[in-house]
Amino acid sequence: DAKTTQPNSMESNEEEPVHLPCNHSTISGTDYIHWYRQLPSQGPEYVIHGLTSNVNNRMASLAIAEDRKSSTLILHRATLRDAAVYYCILRDVSSSNTGKLIFGQGTTLQVKP
Amino acid sequence: DAGITQSPRYKITETGRQVTLMCHQTWSHSYMFWYRQDLGHGLRLIYYSAAADITDKGEVPDGYVVSRSKTENFPLTLESATRSQTSVYFCASSFLGERAQPQHFGDGTRLSIL
Repeated sequence: DAKTTQPNSMESNEEEPVHLPCNHSTISGTDYIHWYRQLPSQGPEYVIHGLTSNVNNRMASLAIAEDRKSSTLILHRATLRDAAVYYCILRDVSSSNTGKLIFGQGTTLQVKP
Repeated sequence: DAGITQSPRYKITETGRQVTLMCHQTWSHSYMFWYRQDLGHGLRLIYYSAAADITDKGEVPDGYVVSRSKTENFPLTLESATRSQTSVYFCASSFLGERAQPQHFGDGTRLSIL
């Protein structure tokens, strides 16, 4: 499975934008890029996913590099409720039938008031 | 409320006992999954199910049994609990199993085996 690399931790101020990077230099052409987050004492929560084009939803935006070797999750205005561990995950053909999500260590985001 | 619910939220039991963790979803999702989360290992897939009466092993199935007689329920049973099965267990569901489908998780069951 292709792996992802994320910074261990990041800090942000409340109401400012946050850019969470993810490197996936060995991504294959059929890998989807998924982002999940996990708030304290809760299960992982789906945030967004994409294949090649940038994506927006009510929670965040996903910017995918042209060569697809990196991506950035953008929270447009961080709130205290956005403090969580953010996981960047590649879903490939081999994981499709098992549904296996391979969670790395993720990025722990701290949001300061 | 619609969604995915796990019960119990917390459970303490003893080595050798049988314990069943429940998972219920109201979306009529075809796929359901059980993961465990341990420090240093992230989340690992235990079992998954593509539909009622169809189940298959994930990465770490030993010591666990699952069944799925109804689409909405996917119980996980530890037939003879061991201390190494102390963990946080998450159930998830998705509409389909293919790689573009997000998974939706419950809030977890924190299981301690003494």
